[in-house]
Amino acid sequence: SAVISQKPSRDICQRGTSLTIQCQVDSQVTMMFWYRQQPGQSLTLIATANQGSEATYESGFVIDKFPISRPNLTFSTLTVSNLSPEDSSIYLCSVETGVVYEQYFGPGTRLTVT
Amino acid sequence: AQSVAQPEDQVNVAEGNPLTVKCTYSVSGNPYLFWYVQYPNRGLQFLLKYITGDNLVKGSYGFEAEFNKSQTSFHLKKPSALVSDSALYFCAVRAGKSTFGDGTTLTVKP
Repeated sequence: SAVISQKPSRDICQRGTSLTIQCQVDSQVTMMFWYRQQPGQSLTLIATANQGSEATYESGFVIDKFPISRPNLTFSTLTVSNLSPEDSSIYLCSVETGVVYEQYFGPGTRLTVT
Repeated sequence: AQSVAQPEDQVNVAEGNPLTVKCTYSVSGNPYLFWYVQYPNRGLQFLLKYITGDNLVKGSYGFEAEFNKSQTSFHLKKPSALVSDSALYFCAVRAGKSTFGDGTTLTVKP
């Protein structure tokens, strides 16, 4: 398994600003993922972050809006830029361990844009 | 394209009764199937998975799931529900990337 922490746990931001979310894992992992989840709803994959290469974004998500850094095998950041109320959501960091495709999730960052 | 369907938004059971949370999937090739649970105000937790082998897989907290290839289903089960099992449950299929179902809210009443 893996223990994942995220900072901040929640934030309230003004329209037009940006928020950077940090994800720290207690072990080295190859695959890291960023998801968005409306409370009580399903997860939407934003991008896959691989160390040493650019993130791979899913349809509907672009690097200018959601820049991702992955400087090493235990850390990643997701920035949500030029915030609008539609960006209000829970953002989840996830990793995949060496055990076949098992994913582990951080506690999430609840973002509210006013 | 792969997909997952959880046909029930909500499942209600009485404590001590058996529970089933349904999941069907569509994927090309052999499926890798997962169940995750999300307790209120917490992140998702891995429950169990099917990769290959025995169709009945056992996971955390007394949960098990049965893989049925002919029905393309992977239903989550527990013989005796606890109030503490009340949570949001997600089925997922992995083929390249993970696709999650819409989730089923399980409520176990005392």
